[in-house]
Amino acid sequence: QQPVQSPQAVILREGEDAVINCSSSKALYSVHWYRQKHGEAPVFLMILLKGGEQKGHEKISASFNEKKQQSSLYLTASQLSYSGTYFCGTDGGGGADGLTFGKGTHLIIQP
Amino acid sequence: GAVVSQHPSWVICKSGTSVKIECRSLDFQATTMFWYRQFPKQSLMLMATSNEGSKATYEQGVEKDKFLINHASLTLSTLTVTSAHPEDSSFYICSARARVAVEVKPTDTQYFGPGTRLTVL
Repeated sequence: QQPVQSPQAVILREGEDAVINCSSSKALYSVHWYRQKHGEAPVFLMILLKGGEQKGHEKISASFNEKKQQSSLYLTASQLSYSGTYFCGTDGGGGADGLTFGKGTHLIIQP
Repeated sequence: GAVVSQHPSWVICKSGTSVKIECRSLDFQATTMFWYRQFPKQSLMLMATSNEGSKATYEQGVEKDKFLINHASLTLSTLTVTSAHPEDSSFYICSARARVAVEVKPTDTQYFGPGTRLTVL
């Protein structure tokens, strides 16, 4: 079952913060976050394992609440380069089987 | 990070012809690769799982006789779209499973190739 991402789209000014949520109706082993620019393939951002961890990658961080079966991606002090579509991919199998991706969140950063 | 390449980047073909797309892991071995399809403004949909040395596993609704997958080596998987039709036009993306260390726990993630845009006339 496809995870649900919210919001569907968000427009920000450079320097503002954003939160993208990913919810699943089934138990998750891990959540994988990707960013895709128009016409390009998705680029891996980070992976979170069950255990409720939070991690960061420069000004992009994420959390994973396995009890709620939710993950959130946090973008702080957004830069123009952050524009793109963000996908969460969920894995319930414990071994990175083919991921099930949400519909994506379109992020537009304006100067 | 791990690098995955795809060839060709884009292809235009006539209806009824077959098209082969290659997916290579350049700096690591991948026993498992995945093929996804993405229509404009939509999410990635898993088509099949390609395992080196064995038959591919197809997702429900994907015709295995139309989308032939071969994973002959630890660094190469190929997808052949047979008798292509305009409705097969899409962005085809492969990924390769790679092991990474997450908080000292080894786990698997996927690295994606750059994609192949197929247009069937």
